[in-house]
Amino acid sequence: AQSVSQHNHHVILSEAASLELGCNYSYGGTVNLFWYVQYPGQHLQLLLKYFSGDPLVKGIKGFEAEFIKSKFSFNLRKPSVQWSDTAEYFCAVSTNAGKSTFGDGTTLTVKP
Amino acid sequence: EADIYQTPRYLVIGTGKKITLECSQTMGHDKMYWYQQDPGMELHLIHYSYGVNSTEKGDLSSESTVSRIRTEHFPLTLESARPSHTSQYLCASSEYGSAWTGLTTGELFFGEGSRLTVL
Repeated sequence: AQSVSQHNHHVILSEAASLELGCNYSYGGTVNLFWYVQYPGQHLQLLLKYFSGDPLVKGIKGFEAEFIKSKFSFNLRKPSVQWSDTAEYFCAVSTNAGKSTFGDGTTLTVKP
Repeated sequence: EADIYQTPRYLVIGTGKKITLECSQTMGHDKMYWYQQDPGMELHLIHYSYGVNSTEKGDLSSESTVSRIRTEHFPLTLESARPSHTSQYLCASSEYGSAWTGLTTGELFFGEGSRLTVL
């Protein structure tokens, strides 16, 4: 069975600081990788995804993530965070069977 | 914009009551899921469905049951609620793929969640 590990449970940054959230997964086969975001009071929504091809993927609101197969990692980055990026971020892995496994989330607080 | 709806958003109920959490999607997705999430914790898959009349237990054991009589509707039922059932329940559906081929991109569209409190 696959598993997902997120390195940081709580991250506090000032506006304009750079962000990197770590995500490692455990699964021997082909996977699809996702970052989801949940803004305060809103539902979970997709931030970005990787299926194949270029391992550096770009998502909404200036976020990007890099898939490093040898490290089983899919870290999320943003060069300059904004107050509006305050949210909870979940890394997830799915196989072709369609079942997704989630990490336990990282709460990001951006101070204005 | 995804169209997946959950009701009720919030429910406070006494022990022993029967409850049904509703989930509907208007996207025609074959695959639907129920996740359970406690505050600050990961999402745990408790039920999923690959299509009409298909339901499976997820990775986390749950006393709830589900049904899938119509493509767009995937309700979750607790016959006798207990305080241990207090949690947030998230419904989701996934695009593409087929119950027959099993191929899917796996991207999930979520509802806003149903927060259940059992006293």
